[in-house]
Amino acid sequence: AQSVSQHNHHVILSEAASLELGCNYSYGGTVNLFWYVQYPGQHLQLLLKYFSGDPLVKGIKGFEAEFIKSKFSFNLRKPSVQWSDTAEYFCAVKRAGNMLTFGGGTRLMVKP
Amino acid sequence: NAGVTQTPKFQVLKTGQSMTLQCAQDMNHNSMYWYRQDPGMGLRLIYYSASEGTTDKGEVPNGYNVSRLNKREFSLRLESAAPSQTSVYFCASSDGAMMTDTQYFGPGTRLTVL
Repeated sequence: AQSVSQHNHHVILSEAASLELGCNYSYGGTVNLFWYVQYPGQHLQLLLKYFSGDPLVKGIKGFEAEFIKSKFSFNLRKPSVQWSDTAEYFCAVKRAGNMLTFGGGTRLMVKP
Repeated sequence: NAGVTQTPKFQVLKTGQSMTLQCAQDMNHNSMYWYRQDPGMGLRLIYYSASEGTTDKGEVPNGYNVSRLNKREFSLRLESAAPSQTSVYFCASSDGAMMTDTQYFGPGTRLTVL
């Protein structure tokens, strides 16, 4: 069965710190990869996605993610976080014919 | 452009009561989905509809039924609510393209079953 792991359940950072959130998946075939963000009290919004091509993907609000096929990983990064980045972040994986599988989420708190 | 809308936003039920959660999308998407979100478990797929007229079970379908009323609307019904169904429910839609499919989510319904 396909699974998606986000190892950091809670992350606390100060403003201007760098962020890296881990995401690993168990399926070795062709996959599509996504990061969604859920701000407090809001619905999920797409941050970025990878389908093919350049493994370094840039998304909204200064976020980026790198697909490393050999490590089955798609880690999310941001060089300098802001208080407004406080949210829950979800990694999701899809392969052809299969539904989207979400990781358990990482709650990020950014202290002003 | 409203995207994906859901009603109601909040609901409290007693065990054994029934209710229907409504979802509509205005993006002309083929596929629609119902998820539940529970702490530490991410989102889990309850049911989905790959296209108008079809529905299929997802990861956690027990206790739920769905209806794809037309291309725009996809409802989720709880026939006899149980406390284990206390959760936040999200509807999503996508164009259904095989490899470039991206799902867009509604604002959610927070359901409490007492």
